[in-house]
Amino acid sequence: DAGVIQSPRHEVTEMGQEVTLRCKPISGHNSLFWYRQTMMRGLELLIYFNNNVPIDDSGMPEDRFSAKMPNASFSTLKIQPSEPRDSAVYFCASSGTGGIYGYTFGSGTRLTVV
Amino acid sequence: LAKTTQPISMDSYEGQEVNITCSHNNIATNDYITWYQQFPSQGPRFIIQGYKTKVTNEVASLFIPADRKSSTLSLPRVSLSDTAVYYCLVGERLGSAGNMLTFGGGTRLMVKP
Repeated sequence: DAGVIQSPRHEVTEMGQEVTLRCKPISGHNSLFWYRQTMMRGLELLIYFNNNVPIDDSGMPEDRFSAKMPNASFSTLKIQPSEPRDSAVYFCASSGTGGIYGYTFGSGTRLTVV
Repeated sequence: LAKTTQPISMDSYEGQEVNITCSHNNIATNDYITWYQQFPSQGPRFIIQGYKTKVTNEVASLFIPADRKSSTLSLPRVSLSDTAVYYCLVGERLGSAGNMLTFGGGTRLMVKP
């Protein structure tokens, strides 16, 4: 199994531009999570899906952030327009049963907004 | 999810045993205790989970007292490669759609030569 695959690995963009982060969960996992990590705030849960349906998006910071999961093998996190304070590492994780056991994280996307 | 409290940082030397304690006074009956490890530039990865008493795997041991209000992650004979952030989490092991993984600040372990 290739694990959770995220792309791109690094993204540098100018303020105001649209940014799309991508995630392919582990096949068979039915829960998908998007996290953001910064030095100041640590790991924050942004949104999670169960069976492709968004369950809780209370962690999404602003309307500029949106996430979709059109099918069981793909999810996107979009920021439009991007701002410098969005600079962070964004992680995607998937799990087969929810709970706190068996979460697998991707390698993350390091986003820099200049 | 039950709130957890763990030290912000710890230092150790190669070859020593490291014990990281986590407090979780509000742990619920159905909750398990799980530890994740995060290396720089990587996502967290699961290392060990337990419900009570002691659990041991090839990476670490987890000690949980009878009242389950705390737990201790034990890393035997650490090496430089064990330098990482260690997160303690408490929650249902096999959850429904309502379970989320919420990370605290973690413990930053620095292993020195």
